Amino acid sequence: AQSVTQPDIHITVSEGASLELRCNYSYGATPYLFWYVQSPGQGLQLLLKYFSGDTLVQGIKGFEAEFKRSQSSFNLRKPSVHWSDAAEYFCAVGDQAGTALIFGKGTTLSVSS
Amino acid sequence: EAQVTQNPRYLITVTGKKLTVTCSQNMNHEYMSWYRQDPGLGLRQIYYSMNVEVTDKGDVPEGYKVSRKEKRNFPLILESPSPNQTSLYFCASSPPGGAPGLVGSYNEQFFGPGTRLTVL
Repeated sequence: AQSVTQPDIHITVSEGASLELRCNYSYGATPYLFWYVQSPGQGLQLLLKYFSGDTLVQGIKGFEAEFKRSQSSFNLRKPSVHWSDAAEYFCAVGDQAGTALIFGKGTTLSVSS
Repeated sequence: EAQVTQNPRYLITVTGKKLTVTCSQNMNHEYMSWYRQDPGLGLRQIYYSMNVEVTDKGDVPEGYKVSRKEKRNFPLILESPSPNQTSLYFCASSPPGGAPGLVGSYNEQFFGPGTRLTVL
């Protein structure tokens, strides 16, 4: 069965430091991969997506993610974190039937000053 | 403005009292879906709809009903709510897929703002 694992439940990063959030997926074919962000009390906003092509994808708010098929990973990165990046981040994969997104359990990012 | 709207945003109710959470999108999307979000569990799909009059169960459909009589609306119905349905609910819609011939969730989903439901 398809699944998404986000190994880190909670991460704290200093403002201005770099960030990497990990995501591993289980999927038999070419995956459709997504990163969403949920700010406190808000809905989910798409940061970036990967369907095919260049394995390094750029998103909004200065985020990028790299698809590594050999490692079944789609890690999210940002070179310099801002306090406003504090939120919960979800990695997701589109299921093979095209009927649902399979979400990871999320990683909560705290930013310290 | 392209958006997905949900109403109500917050609801406190009692066990057994039927309720409906409405969802509407103005992007002419064929695919719509409902998810619930619970701490430590992420988002799980309740029901989805590939088009008008076409609905199917997701991972956690027990205790829920949906209908899709118009393309823009996809209400979630709890006929006899129970405390274990206390959760944060999200409606989502999606345009046709990221590759020719693909529909549904092979593309990004646009989420509503969420409905926080408490069942006492």
